[in-house]
Amino acid sequence: QSVLTQPPSVSAAPGQKVTISCSGSSSNIGNNYVSWYQQLPGTAPKLLIYDNNKRPSGIPDRFSGSKSGTSATLGITGLQTGDEADYYCGTWDSSLSAHAVFGGGTQLTVL
Amino acid sequence: EVQLVESGGGLVQPGRSLRLSCTASGFTFGDYAMSWVRQAPGKGLEWVGFIRSKAYGGTTEYAASVKGRFTISRDDSKSIAYLQMNSLKTEDTAVYYCTRGILWFGGLDYWGQGTLVTVSS
Repeated sequence: QSVLTQPPSVSAAPGQKVTISCSGSSSNIGNNYVSWYQQLPGTAPKLLIYDNNKRPSGIPDRFSGSKSGTSATLGITGLQTGDEADYYCGTWDSSLSAHAVFGGGTQLTVL
Repeated sequence: EVQLVESGGGLVQPGRSLRLSCTASGFTFGDYAMSWVRQAPGKGLEWVGFIRSKAYGGTTEYAASVKGRFTISRDDSKSIAYLQMNSLKTEDTAVYYCTRGILWFGGLDYWGQGTLVTVSS
């Protein structure tokens, strides 16, 4: 079990908006930047959001990130069938065994 | 174009060793931290560890699950990062990805295609 909690799955219709949450604590999200990754079936993950809310070049503004306290959220607007993928959050955890962590992942279904 | 190409994966018996290589191109390798991430079959992503650039000491950090068994190193003259894996366990079976950057600071902005390591007798 990861110290970062994500919903196992979310779904929405094409064109709609969806949010994916990533819940942690003061030892991780509360005091560190969060990044988000998209993994399409059978491919390597891709960086969507870094440092809580920044988009790398080439990532459309349909994707957004935010952080509040010990939780982070990935938002996707104008959903497309091509957005069907697994999404992961990640950050540093400064607890006893300090290490970087990913959330368990969220599978997005575009109905 | 930034490219990361992993090699060295394969089938290995429990308790044995394996070394993965990540050959980088398209950027000044020595300027960047490099990280390794793995994914067991059908499971989520797991951070393995990373190595800082020489400018930041070239030091390493590891996940608790691999600390003391895995070692990350780099050869900036060849633009290669290595993951030396010793005392392999069946639970180390995964696709191993080489990535550029730091998960919690700037993110992992480029990923290799991954190489499969299977630990089985």
